[in-house]
Amino acid sequence: GAVVSQHPSRVICKSGTSVKIECRSLDFQATTMFWYRQFPKQSLMLMATSNEGSKATYEQGVEKDKFLINHASLTLSTLTVTSAHPEDSSFYICSARDLQGISGANVLTFGAGSRLTVL
Amino acid sequence: DAKTTQPPSMDCAEGRAANLPCNHSTISGNEYVYWYRQIHSQGPQYIIHGLKNNETNEMASLIITEDRKSSTLILPHATLRDTAVYYCIVRSSSGSARQLTFGSGTQLTVLP
Repeated sequence: GAVVSQHPSRVICKSGTSVKIECRSLDFQATTMFWYRQFPKQSLMLMATSNEGSKATYEQGVEKDKFLINHASLTLSTLTVTSAHPEDSSFYICSARDLQGISGANVLTFGAGSRLTVL
Repeated sequence: DAKTTQPPSMDCAEGRAANLPCNHSTISGNEYVYWYRQIHSQGPQYIIHGLKNNETNEMASLIITEDRKSSTLILPHATLRDTAVYYCIVRSSSGSARQLTFGSGTQLTVLP
């Protein structure tokens, strides 16, 4: 089945630095990928939709200049948290849909997530 | 996408069937019921989906009422590894990728 890989799984950084998280679709091409954020004991919240070859679409309240998304190929999307602050500490999860997958279904495959801790 | 209502938590004894309910009274005719689960500190995992008919796969069974206003996910023989948050999501199916909106889900705890 479809596999989405995220890297790194855990990252710790100092306040003010930038962190890049990669999301790869391993055995399928994804023109669209989704980035979610999850704070402790809360549900997943969509941050942005990443579109291959064009600008990402951000959800209301998500700063596009702080969370830079690049979808340079059909199998790779990256999320860069710029000038990270402790309040950016969270679990970041990406997902994509294999359009050749389960017929007639809008099934998303999720990565394992990346836990960011900003000191 | 139609709103769903799930109980916040449930317990189940290991080896017994876990029945997780979901209400979606405002579901429309072209909307499917999807179930995902999220084991602690992992990304969500697709379980099953259905439109009208009951569905079964290697992971679970999905029972949808005739009026489609509610459904039940059944894990026939729950194991400790099934402890997770289970999300019921209603949405239409389309040719392009669309994001999923997650509610609060049901925390299922399988007890030894």
